[in-house]
Amino acid sequence: EVQLVESGGGLVQPGGSLRLSCAASGFSFSIYWMSWVRQAPGKGLEWVANIKQDGRETSYVDSVKGRFTISRDNSKNSLYLQMHSLRGEDTGVYYCARDPVGATWYFDIWGRGALVTVSS
Amino acid sequence: QSALTQPRSVSGSPGQSVTISCAGTSSDVGTYNFVSWYQQNPGKAPKVMIYDVSKRPSGVPDRFSGSKSGNTASLTISGLRAEDEADYYCCSYAGTYTYVFGTGTKVTVL
Repeated sequence: EVQLVESGGGLVQPGGSLRLSCAASGFSFSIYWMSWVRQAPGKGLEWVANIKQDGRETSYVDSVKGRFTISRDNSKNSLYLQMHSLRGEDTGVYYCARDPVGATWYFDIWGRGALVTVSS
Repeated sequence: QSALTQPRSVSGSPGQSVTISCAGTSSDVGTYNFVSWYQQNPGKAPKVMIYDVSKRPSGVPDRFSGSKSGNTASLTISGLRAEDEADYYCCSYAGTYTYVFGTGTKVTVL
């Protein structure tokens, strides 16, 4: 079964750091772009970052540039999101999502999400 | 990287059709044919319903269709059913490996 499972969420104080992980299974992880998408409580979806198959290309939404770092370990079929200088507006559910192979851009597989709460 | 604009809510009776608009700019929807639509039920992860403007993934009913004209994309749900009640989000590729989502639309089946 194709599956993405996020972990590492929790409560963190403003200014703190947290690292999210996403474990992939059931498909060849190394051939896919991967993304993080977040959703603040009661709000809409927001694309956060993505990373190319070999990890050499990354992109970020402006609001997290310089604070968040996306990375991957293809030997462990894992995706990561290192978050620093966290703010209240970073609170939300963080989803790991797969960008499909080929000349297209969308998210075909999603994890169940990890909740990050930034609060004192 | 401004969010695409969607109506906050649309509603229809069972069997009717509803259309959700997704207004972008020439930097995203207007330039790229990589518009996708996601259905999200409360407490659940999003599910892709349409990709590449009008393509349906396997398993998505053909009641769901997508289109695009200029800077605006649309999702139409024909023959509305109770199980279609959910939040719907559009998303567009915006160049240089980035994406932008829409503001989201709540579909209510009356």
